[in-house]
Formats: sequence, C-alpha cells, structure tokens
Amino acid sequence: SQQGEEDPQALSIQEGENATMNCSYKTSINNLQWYRQNSGRGLVHLILIRSNEREKHSGRLRVTLDTSKKSSSLLITASRAADTASYFCATDAPGNQFYFGTGTSLTVIP
Amino acid sequence: DTAVSQTPKYLVTQMGNDKSIKCEQNLGHDTMYWYKQDSKKFLKIMFSYNNKELIINETVPNRFSPKSPDKAHLNLHINSLELGDSAVYFCASSPMRGTSYEQYFGPGTRLTVT
Repeated sequence: SQQGEEDPQALSIQEGENATMNCSYKTSINNLQWYRQNSGRGLVHLILIRSNEREKHSGRLRVTLDTSKKSSSLLITASRAADTASYFCATDAPGNQFYFGTGTSLTVIP
Repeated sequence: DTAVSQTPKYLVTQMGNDKSIKCEQNLGHDTMYWYKQDSKKFLKIMFSYNNKELIINETVPNRFSPKSPDKAHLNLHINSLELGDSAVYFCASSPMRGTSYEQYFGPGTRLTVT
C-alpha cells in the first residue's frame, strides 16, 4: 500500500536544538503533506510539497523532497517545548486520497 | 469559531450497542472524511464524501455507515459495536477533493467499547 513511514518513531531533544524526521514512501506521488498532532488533539496541517518541488520553508519548518529516493524530511529549527507533538507525513495514493504514516513522536525538553 | 467540530468527544459503550458520532464543518468545504486512529497512532481513512456524495469507501465493516445530510455535515453510525472498534475517530474536511488541498481535522472522538 502507498503508506508513508516516518523515522525515527520517537525523538527526544533539548530546547533550542534542531529536530529532523524522515518519511519514506513506496510509489510515485503527486503531493506530500506534513501534519502535527498534539496529545489528545486533531491533526494540524504544516506544509504541502508537490512532486516538482525540492524544498519548502514555513517559519522554523523546512521540508525537503527527494523523489528519486522516495523520501521527505521535516526539519524544525530552534525547537521549543511547544513543538512537542507527533508529526505525520501523508502521501497521496490512487483514488486521490492520502495515506498517513504512524508518525514520529517528538519530545522537546525545556 | 470551531472549524471542524465533533460530538461527542468521549464515548464509552458496551459491545453490541449502536452509536453515532456527528461532525460539522463551518469552512464551506466540499469534501469531508472519516479517519480511524488506533492505539499505535496509525491513521487510516475510512470514508470520504464530496458534496454529499460518497467517493471513498475503504475496506471497513458494513457495520459502519456514514451519512451526509448536507455538505457541512458527515455523521458516522456504528452498529453492533465490537471491542476492536475502540479507537479515536477523526472527522476532517478539505476545500475540494484531491490531495493538493490541506485537510482540517476535528478534535476527535475517543470511542471505548467494553
């Protein structure tokens, strides 16, 4: 199935450090999105990157896409305690829908 | 104003019962979704509606029946609840159908079947 898989499953860093999480997928995509989920909440959209794009920025977030390796990465710079959450990538699939991975659980220690 | 709302937030019920979860979006979006998130946080799409029409129906038991009375509402009815139905159910919406649009998620409904 066309499912994004995030890596690592869990990541713990000190406040102020950068956090990098990766997403790998199996078949060609048109779009890839990253979402954040705080504990007990719904998912919140962060960034959409299209297959013809290699990099996008939004504030402290930087997303890269390497279609040759079928992978994407999300970099959060100068992390804050409020960035503690689970981060999901969503890759599109036949049927014009998204498949989500199981997420990376990020803990930022103050 | 809440963009995508779900009721109830928590639902505890016994096996064999029938229950419903309601979802409403006030964003004027055409497309709505139901997702199931299991205890390992895996998020799986169940259904998608576009302008009240069912467009995605993943392999879910037919005990689950979505209903969209209008494009702002998508409800989920579950018959004969089983232990394995325990999960968090999320409603989401997007402006239009397709993966180039971001999805807006509701706060989730935690269903516990005992």
